[in-house]
Amino acid sequence: GAVVSQHPSWVICKSGTSVKIECRSLDFQATTMFWYRQFPKQSLMLMATSNEGSKATYEQGVEKDKFLINHASLTLSTLTVTSAHPEDSSFYICSASTGTGFNYGYTFGSGTRLTVV
Amino acid sequence: RKEVEQDPGPFNVPEGATVAFNCTYSNSASQSFFWYRQDCRKEPKLLMSVYSSGNEDGRFTAQLNRASQYISLLIRDSKLSDSATYLCAVTGSYGNKLVFGAGTILRVKS
Repeated sequence: GAVVSQHPSWVICKSGTSVKIECRSLDFQATTMFWYRQFPKQSLMLMATSNEGSKATYEQGVEKDKFLINHASLTLSTLTVTSAHPEDSSFYICSASTGTGFNYGYTFGSGTRLTVV
Repeated sequence: RKEVEQDPGPFNVPEGATVAFNCTYSNSASQSFFWYRQDCRKEPKLLMSVYSSGNEDGRFTAQLNRASQYISLLIRDSKLSDSATYLCAVTGSYGNKLVFGAGTILRVKS
């Protein structure tokens, strides 16, 4: 079946640095990639939707200049957390959608646990 | 009002019990509905899609009630391995954005 490879699986970085998270669709073309964030004991919150070759659409309250999303190809989408701070520590997960119309499927990456110290 | 709401639980049940979760959604134009299972510190795994006619997969049964805007998940003969967080997810009226509920924690005990 469809596989999305996400890495790194975990990262620890210093406050003020930037971190890039990559998601690759291995055996299919992901025209749309969703990026989620999950704080402890909370649900997955959609941050943004990215479509290949166009600018990402961010959800309300998500800073587009802080969370840079690039979806330059049909198999690769990246999320860069710029100038990370401890409050950005979270579990970040990507999800690629497949299908058309209302017949959608979703394939999730394995997630990236970010800790900012 | 949240787009998707679930009772967070936890539901503590003995092995072999039957347990049911409900989830309500606010967008009446939502088109697709899912139940996911998430284990601690892992990505969500699709458990099943939910159709208007209801669908069953082994010990799991999902139902959709469009009039009342809720979906349900029934787990029969609970196993220890069923312990996890169960997330319902709903797509919007346009596009394929998937919105999750906060999840319901299930703990199955021997």
